[in-house]
Amino acid sequence: KNEVEQSPQNLTAQEGEFITINCSYSVGISALHWLQQHPGGGIVSLFMLSSGKKKHGRLIATINIQEKHSSLHITASHPRDSAVYICAVRSGTSSGSARQLTFGSGTQLTVLP
Amino acid sequence: NAGVTQTPKFRILKIGQSMTLQCAQDMNHNYMYWYRQDPGMGLKLIYYSVGAGITDKGEVPNGYNVSRSTTEDFPLRLELAAPSQTSVYFCASKGWLTNTGELFFGEGSRLTVL
Repeated sequence: KNEVEQSPQNLTAQEGEFITINCSYSVGISALHWLQQHPGGGIVSLFMLSSGKKKHGRLIATINIQEKHSSLHITASHPRDSAVYICAVRSGTSSGSARQLTFGSGTQLTVLP
Repeated sequence: NAGVTQTPKFRILKIGQSMTLQCAQDMNHNYMYWYRQDPGMGLKLIYYSVGAGITDKGEVPNGYNVSRSTTEDFPLRLELAAPSQTSVYFCASKGWLTNTGELFFGEGSRLTVL
């Protein structure tokens, strides 16, 4: 079973700062997901990665398969970015199933104005 | 689009009571999932379904049951509620043909068993 560790568990930043959230896993994977959980509880998918880097607006996700590590970066952070960010890894080879997902416990990000 | 709709959002149960958490999606997704989220822990898979009429156990199925009579609906039944089932429950769905692997989540259902 894959073990997923996220760091830091909690992060407080000032508006405008560059944010990095890290995710490490123990076993080879086929894909890694970054999710955002809003203060109200809803969860949305941000990225799915199997290699390299993806960018969407101010969010950048990178993955290093050899080092079993991924980072989520937020540039020019804003109070509306305050949320829990969750890393999840897929260990199975079936691209159609999410049943092999293992979730990290999340990073609580607070961005102060 | 409504996406994934979960009801109720909040519920308090007494030990031994039963209830059903409803989940419906309007995206014609084949895959549907039920997760529970406990404080400080990652989401854990309870049950999943790959299509109407097909369900299977996840990591933590004890104390729960599911059914999938239609593509749209995937209710989660709690029989004989126990305090250990106090948690936030999330339903999620994913399409068959999507290459992105994106999961769509409901807003969550907070259940307290006293």
